[in-house]
Amino acid sequence: GNSVTQMEGPVTLSEEAFLTINCTYTATGYPSLFWYVQYPGEGLQLLLKATKADDKGSNKGFEATYRKETTSFHLEKGSVQVSDSAVYFCALWGTGGFKTIFGAGTRLFVKA
Amino acid sequence: NAGVMQNPRHLVRRRGQEARLRCSPMKGHSHVYWYRQLPEEGLKFMVYLQKENIIDESGMPKERFSAEFPKEGPSILRIQQVVRGDSAAYFCASSLRESYNEQFFGPGTRLTVL
Repeated sequence: GNSVTQMEGPVTLSEEAFLTINCTYTATGYPSLFWYVQYPGEGLQLLLKATKADDKGSNKGFEATYRKETTSFHLEKGSVQVSDSAVYFCALWGTGGFKTIFGAGTRLFVKA
Repeated sequence: NAGVMQNPRHLVRRRGQEARLRCSPMKGHSHVYWYRQLPEEGLKFMVYLQKENIIDESGMPKERFSAEFPKEGPSILRIQQVVRGDSAAYFCASSLRESYNEQFFGPGTRLTVL
């Protein structure tokens, strides 16, 4: 079946370090891919998205490229800040039906 | 323009009681989705509703859970006879059309069953 697999956390980085959070997916067809961010006690905010192969989504310094050949959508940021500390979810949609399929989430801690 | 609203934000129930969670979609949105997030896990789809219709309830437990989206008023997720395993965060999302690209999430209701 369709699924999303994310690297396990927590990920702990120092401020200004480079961030990569791996995400791979299994899906039939051509899903749209998303990264969401969840700050403590809050709901999900859409961070970025890509709807077809080789698209690059970007927002707030984060970016991710839809790689069909490796079925991946890794999240990257060149220089993280303390305020980026949150849980990040990779997700896919559009493989039949209306459900969004989420990864388990990766918690990021950024130290000053 | 207000976003998706959910209430209450926190709900505490004792085992056997009923929990009613409300979701008011964004203005003009007629599509509502409910998701459940267990501690330290991702969100799991529960149900998709349009006004007065359940379109996809493939993620809903067969017993004790029900959802509605009446012509007027918010969408309601109802859990009867709650058990400790129902403790979770329940998120609602809404969209203008049957397209993910317009799906917006509410802040969630955190249910604790004692």
